[in-house]
Amino acid sequence: QSALTQPASVSGSPGQSITFSCTGSTNDPGAYNYVSWYQQHPGKAPKLILYDVSNRPSGVSNRFSGSKSGNTASLTISGLQAEDEADYYCTSYTGTSTPLYVFGAGTKVTVL
Amino acid sequence: EVQLVQSGAEVKKPGESLTISCKGSGYSFTSYWISWVRQMPGKGLEWMGRIDPSDSYTSYSPSFRGHVTLSIDKSITTAFLQWSSLQASDTAIYYCARHLAGDYGWFDPWGQGTLVTVSS
Repeated sequence: QSALTQPASVSGSPGQSITFSCTGSTNDPGAYNYVSWYQQHPGKAPKLILYDVSNRPSGVSNRFSGSKSGNTASLTISGLQAEDEADYYCTSYTGTSTPLYVFGAGTKVTVL
Repeated sequence: EVQLVQSGAEVKKPGESLTISCKGSGYSFTSYWISWVRQMPGKGLEWMGRIDPSDSYTSYSPSFRGHVTLSIDKSITTAFLQWSSLQASDTAIYYCARHLAGDYGWFDPWGQGTLVTVSS
């Protein structure tokens, strides 16, 4: 079964940039061309912030950016703000594996 | 505005049945799949399954197949998640999400979530 691995936590000071990863367990880099990222504040529903690795939906701050290298996708938050403190989840379609979609375990971002 | 509005919190006993709902508005309901996602207390997100509102075709995660049922009522643009016999381990928040761009797509927007508590 495919899996996505994220660091449990990342922290940074206001104004700094932070980057964290989402690493897939298969050896097919193409399987991770369609990673999407979601932000979840406590007690709230997840919100899409990036799709297809690096595309931002309308209304999402350009401080959020994404990239991919091999089987690892990364999310960068630039100019860190207090409101960015949240949990962040990556997800990807697994193709022929089941379940069809897997989520990473989530990364807790703390703004110091 | 595209919206998914879910039904309210439920408290049930083990063995009871339950159906929760997710009403879509502001878009062509039959044009996009609906996925359901579970979040157990203090835990991460788990994809449960998806349903195509145009023909009710479903795909389930192996972890949930046989324990839940997804359905649609196109006439009221509403998706449903159903249990026939709840277990304490079903206690969680359940989210529906519009599923864009097919298999390789993403989930946007999400419903506000429905808290299901199963306790004797």
